[in-house]
Amino acid sequence: QKEVEQNSGPLSVPEGAIASLNCTYSDRGSQSFFWYRQYSGKSPELIMFIYSNGDKEDGRFTAQLNKASQYVSLLIRDSQPSDSATYLCAVTRSGGSYIPTFGRGTSLIVHP
Amino acid sequence: EAEVAQSPRYKITEKSQAVAFWCDPISGHATLYWYRQILGQGPELLVQFQDESVVDDSQLPKDRFSAERLKGVDSTLKIQPAELGDSAMYLCASSPVAAGGELFFGEGSRLTVL
Repeated sequence: QKEVEQNSGPLSVPEGAIASLNCTYSDRGSQSFFWYRQYSGKSPELIMFIYSNGDKEDGRFTAQLNKASQYVSLLIRDSQPSDSATYLCAVTRSGGSYIPTFGRGTSLIVHP
Repeated sequence: EAEVAQSPRYKITEKSQAVAFWCDPISGHATLYWYRQILGQGPELLVQFQDESVVDDSQLPKDRFSAERLKGVDSTLKIQPAELGDSAMYLCASSPVAAGGELFFGEGSRLTVL
C-alpha cells in the first residue's frame, strides 16, 4: 500500500461546479497535510495546508481532514477552466524529519 | 518575490554520461529538498538537507547519485552514469522550517537520457 493514495483521474467537471479531490494516507501518525497544484510542465505550488481535523477554507478552496478515517480532501467551489491542473496531496510522516510524501496527483479538467 | 533557482531547465544526455543539476534556495531557507518526478507520478524524495547536513537520503540511489550542499546554501545533484530510467523532472524545493511540508519549488530541471 502506497503511503499517500490519490485517484489519478481525470476528474472532469463543468465550469461553475464543485470539484472534489480526495486523498488517503497510511501512516496514522501523520502530522500535516498539504495540497499542491501543478500545471502541465510546471512545478508544484502550495495552495492549502491543514493540520487539525475539520474544515479549513481559503477563498474558493476548502480542505477537509478526518484523521480517524485517514482521509483528506480538497473542494474547489465555482470551478474555473484555469483550475485545470493536477492536484497533489502531500503528507508529512510522523516522527523524525517530517518529510513530505506526495501522492501521484489527480488530474482535474474544468470544461466551459 | 524570492524564488528557488534551478539550472539547467532542460538537459539531454546519452546514457553513461555524467549530468549535474544546481539549485539555489530562497535566501534564509535552511531546508532544501531534491525530488524526482516521473511523468504521471508524484514527486519522490531523493535527499533532504538541513543547512549543510543530510537529513534523509534513504531513497537516493547512491551507486550513481550524489548530492551536496557544502556551505549550506546552494546545492548540486549529480548523476554518474546516467541511465535511461533517470529521465524525469528533478525538482528542488526549499522550506523555512525543517518540520513542515510548506515547500517552495523551483521550476525544475527536465532530464532526457537517450
